[in-house]
Amino acid sequence: GENVEQHPSTLSVQEGDSAVIKCTYSDSASNYFPWYKQELGKGPQLIIDIRSNVGEKKDQRIAVTLNKTAKHFSLHITETQPEDSAVYFCAAGQAGTALIFGKGTTLSVSS
Amino acid sequence: DTEVTQTPKHLVMGMTNKKSLKCEQHMGHRAMYWYKQKAKKPPELMFVYSYEKLSINESVPSRFSPECPNSSLLNLHLHALQPEDSALYLCASSPRTATEAFFGQGTRLTVV
Repeated sequence: GENVEQHPSTLSVQEGDSAVIKCTYSDSASNYFPWYKQELGKGPQLIIDIRSNVGEKKDQRIAVTLNKTAKHFSLHITETQPEDSAVYFCAAGQAGTALIFGKGTTLSVSS
Repeated sequence: DTEVTQTPKHLVMGMTNKKSLKCEQHMGHRAMYWYKQKAKKPPELMFVYSYEKLSINESVPSRFSPECPNSSLLNLHLHALQPEDSALYLCASSPRTATEAFFGQGTRLTVV
């Protein structure tokens, strides 16, 4: 089955800096890669996703890149703000299955 | 509207109790999921319903029993749970499997 590795497990940055979180997946059949943000006491919130036919996608301060050959994808957050502090999960999926999640990255943005 | 509604938000139950968790979405999604999440861990898949049929059961103990009465509702029936079953139970839905999934806020379950 699919296995998703996520690094780093914790990340501390200063406000205004960039943050990068990386994930690798094992199943070359996976073709959908979302990123979720989870704040304390809440359910995961979809923040951006990418499909395997696209190499990069951007939404304001957030971008995701995908390297199908290397089977890895990354989340980039620019101009970080304290409200970006949360746990971020990457995931991978393919038709007929459910999403498999990485172990999560706790991002702390200090002002 | 991308809302998935879960009730109750909190639940405390004894090991001999029977209770149910409920999940509702009105986005026309045809895939619905139950995940279990322990503190500081990722969501762990329990069940997948696709077009109201159970398509994936991740070897979940029989004390957890899912039900999908219609395309908008998903239930999780609980019976004879153990303290280690205490966790956040998350429901999610997506248009189909492997498409954008939206999560509810979860039910915080404590088994005493």
